[in-house]
Amino acid sequence: AQTIHQWPVAEIKAVGSPLSLGCTIKGKSSPNLYWYWQATGGTLQQLFYSITVGQVESVVQLNLSASRPKDDQFILSTEKLLLSHSGFYLCAWRTGGAGGQNTLYFGAGTRLSVL
Amino acid sequence: GDSVTQTEGQVALSEEDFLTIHCNYSASGYPALFWYVQYPGEGPQFLFRASRDKEKGSSRGFEATYDKGTTSFHLRKASVQESDSAVYYCALGDQGGRALIFGTGTTVSVSP
Repeated sequence: AQTIHQWPVAEIKAVGSPLSLGCTIKGKSSPNLYWYWQATGGTLQQLFYSITVGQVESVVQLNLSASRPKDDQFILSTEKLLLSHSGFYLCAWRTGGAGGQNTLYFGAGTRLSVL
Repeated sequence: GDSVTQTEGQVALSEEDFLTIHCNYSASGYPALFWYVQYPGEGPQFLFRASRDKEKGSSRGFEATYDKGTTSFHLRKASVQESDSAVYYCALGDQGGRALIFGTGTTVSVSP
């Protein structure tokens, strides 16, 4: 069975400080990986996706960047946090394939508070 | 661009009430449609999906039917329980393959 692990579970950071959030998926080779952001009480906004190692596509940047250093790992980062970065960050995976037919499976998320 | 609209922002019910959440989409062709449920502090969980006109998806007593004519995928449950209290999201499969486009979510609160 596939498992997706996000770290850390929660972060409290100061404005202007750097950030690195991680996501690892086990039990699935070459998954498509995604980062979503959710403001408190808000909907899910896709940030980035990656089909393969070393390749990341941006959907909405929000002054963030993403990288895929390994087949099973997806990293979200920034050098300078803004207050607007606060929220819930979700990593997700799905099997590859054409179109948007395949189901997206989410991790448990990382709660970020920027003060 | 493609989009999903959920009509109800919040729904308050009593146990054993009937639940309906309206979801309409705007997209060409036959995009896949999904329902997800999110409990506080957790990631969204997949409920079910449908990919063809008149196809019915169902899970945990929830169901929805893909209707190309009315571009809808309304979520229904005949008898809700307190444990069904959560946020429900309708989503549309992006036909460019990027991911899912989510609606704004509907908060369902069920009182005993």
